[in-house]
Amino acid sequence: QQQVKQSPQSLIVQKGGISIINCAYENTAFDYFPWYQQFPGKGPALLIAIRPDVSEKKEGRFTISFNKSAKQFSLHIMDSQPGDSATYFCAASNPNAGGTSYGKLTFGQGTILTVHP
Amino acid sequence: DTAVSQTPKYLVTQMGNDKSIKCEQNLGHDTMYWYKQDSKKFLKIMFSYNNKELIINETVPNRFSPKSPDKAHLNLHINSLELGDSAVYFCASSRAGGYYGYTFGSGTRLTVV
Repeated sequence: QQQVKQSPQSLIVQKGGISIINCAYENTAFDYFPWYQQFPGKGPALLIAIRPDVSEKKEGRFTISFNKSAKQFSLHIMDSQPGDSATYFCAASNPNAGGTSYGKLTFGQGTILTVHP
Repeated sequence: DTAVSQTPKYLVTQMGNDKSIKCEQNLGHDTMYWYKQDSKKFLKIMFSYNNKELIINETVPNRFSPKSPDKAHLNLHINSLELGDSAVYFCASSRAGGYYGYTFGSGTRLTVV
């Protein structure tokens, strides 16, 4: 019930194209869905996050789409650039959970994005 | 000013040795974590501390022992290192149950030979 499934494992996109990464979750108690971006040799960094009371959130070229009934959410990167080449992780948590779930973030398996110039 | 700093960045050691990784955060966060990233880049939580109290202790061998001397520090000690312990270990911190996101350190690449 704690799993977050992410696809695809890897993605190659041409510069200017749209990158789409999908995630699905099982635990209906999850209430917070962030995306993290990781460059080689660095730690993951928060990119954008959404809560299930909205179906979409946009920040610059990055958009999260959220489908609560399907328990799915996705990241869209518009006008993809070579500098966007990185590993992307979706994640989920219940920030209101207590006990041993407090603050616990469950990650998807990651997607390696390569944007060709 | 580094928000979450880990030392060392690289650690190469022989099987059977004991080693420690240190982590410090200057963000005033109340919760700190250790995550392990394996060779397939999968991130899995190991431990978390909230205000120096152990909260999350996932299925991790007893050879791994976290210690939080204060709210800003979380160290990881590993006894009797094994080949399978080779991975990148990330420290992270958050506030308010992680609602505003985690801040990760840059990781410690542990290689056991």
